Amino acid sequence: GAGVSQSPSNKVTEKGKDVELRCDPISGHTALYWYRQSLGQGLEFLIYFQGNSAPDKSGLPSDRFSAERTGGSVSTLTIQRTQQEDSAVYLCASSSDTDTQYFGPGTRLTVL
Amino acid sequence: SQQGEEDPQALSIQEGENATMNCSYKTSINNLQWYRQNSGRGLVHLILIRSNEREKHSGRLRVTLDTSKKSSSLLITASRAADTASYFCATDPSGGYNKLIFGAGTRLAVHP
Repeated sequence: GAGVSQSPSNKVTEKGKDVELRCDPISGHTALYWYRQSLGQGLEFLIYFQGNSAPDKSGLPSDRFSAERTGGSVSTLTIQRTQQEDSAVYLCASSSDTDTQYFGPGTRLTVL
Repeated sequence: SQQGEEDPQALSIQEGENATMNCSYKTSINNLQWYRQNSGRGLVHLILIRSNEREKHSGRLRVTLDTSKKSSSLLITASRAADTASYFCATDPSGGYNKLIFGAGTRLAVHP
């Protein structure tokens, strides 16, 4: 595609529910990143996928967070038993062999 | 934890003036990148400067990097109202794989 796309753009959920956030990277990009941005803050790294290698999950804040990338393309970030502190904008980025990361528009998650 | 720290946190200027934003970081890096974010959503990549470069230009943007001081600056010349946004520096630590570490950003307001 022309750019990184994410869905949904907004998600409101109740505390304790599970949510799935989707990222479609730029076609052909082998690297995919998930970041989280809390209100008024910078981005916090969550997880990184590169090709068929094992993902770097070092940024995931708890075991309620997981992500997968199927077929080296689309990725899904899942948050189980959501908490209010999970409210944030979740951003996905992809890159090729260059250093530049291309970001999607993000998903704004609100946990009530 | 955030590696990059931008200052000022907020900057308000008139159209036509120059805007300078600074970024400091803590560890050695492969490169440093500047991003712009409008309305708290997707980030747009502005410029990348590698650790062996000292200055780089792109249109009205000028970026400097001082690895001895672990600092960078972003200069926007002849600012326009459309430059109003948040600006983030992000570092790619040495030995990493482009897992960017972001600062909290500078909020720039350019008044007509």
